[in-house]
Amino acid sequence: EVQLVESGGDLVQPGRSLRLSCTASGFRFGDYGMSWVRQAPGKGLEWVSFIRSKRYGENTEYAASVKGRFTISRDDSKSIGYLQMNSLKTEDTAVYYCTRDPHPYCSNINCPHDSWGQGTLVTVSS
Amino acid sequence: EIVLTQSPGTLSLSPGESATLSCRASQTVSSSYLAWYQQKPGQAPRLLFYGVSSRATGIPDRFSGSGSGTDFTLTISRLEPEDFAVYYCQQYGTSPTFGQGTKVEIK
Repeated sequence: EVQLVESGGDLVQPGRSLRLSCTASGFRFGDYGMSWVRQAPGKGLEWVSFIRSKRYGENTEYAASVKGRFTISRDDSKSIGYLQMNSLKTEDTAVYYCTRDPHPYCSNINCPHDSWGQGTLVTVSS
Repeated sequence: EIVLTQSPGTLSLSPGESATLSCRASQTVSSSYLAWYQQKPGQAPRLLFYGVSSRATGIPDRFSGSGSGTDFTLTISRLEPEDFAVYYCQQYGTSPTFGQGTKVEIK
């Protein structure tokens, strides 16, 4: 069974940093791309970042709203993906989901998300 | 950025009825890179379709996706109780964007 489990969400003050983790199981993590998608309380979905598999160059993409502040990475040996979030703002408050992105479904730019974790809550407030 | 506008905002229907959900893009969605997701309260989204009409694993055939260019439709025939949820479209041909969602509620 495919499983994605996010962790690391917390209450942090504006300007501080936080690192989220996504632990994958039930599939070959290294064969897939991975994204982070967030959802502010009571709001819709917002794509945040994407990293390709090593086979596809491990290239990364970021939403304009987080570019320069967030960094996505992966450790295929541990089947874990990460999202390093720096200079956090109140508008970053959301549930953050990690997703599995199958490359055969993808465009040159990005992918649909065929599996999702249950999410981890990040609250940015003073 | 491609803006996706979903309509209606809320659809009130009874089990057994059909639902037609619209997703309109502000520019052409390249190569039909459009997906649909279902989200129930307190749960993560679930992929329904990618590439406009390719059904994801385990999605029943009462769900269908169609459209091209800037106009896309998700149709649910014979609504089951478990189909009442919020539905989102997403384009992933450029920097991904989601629509604001359509809520399908029980009438």
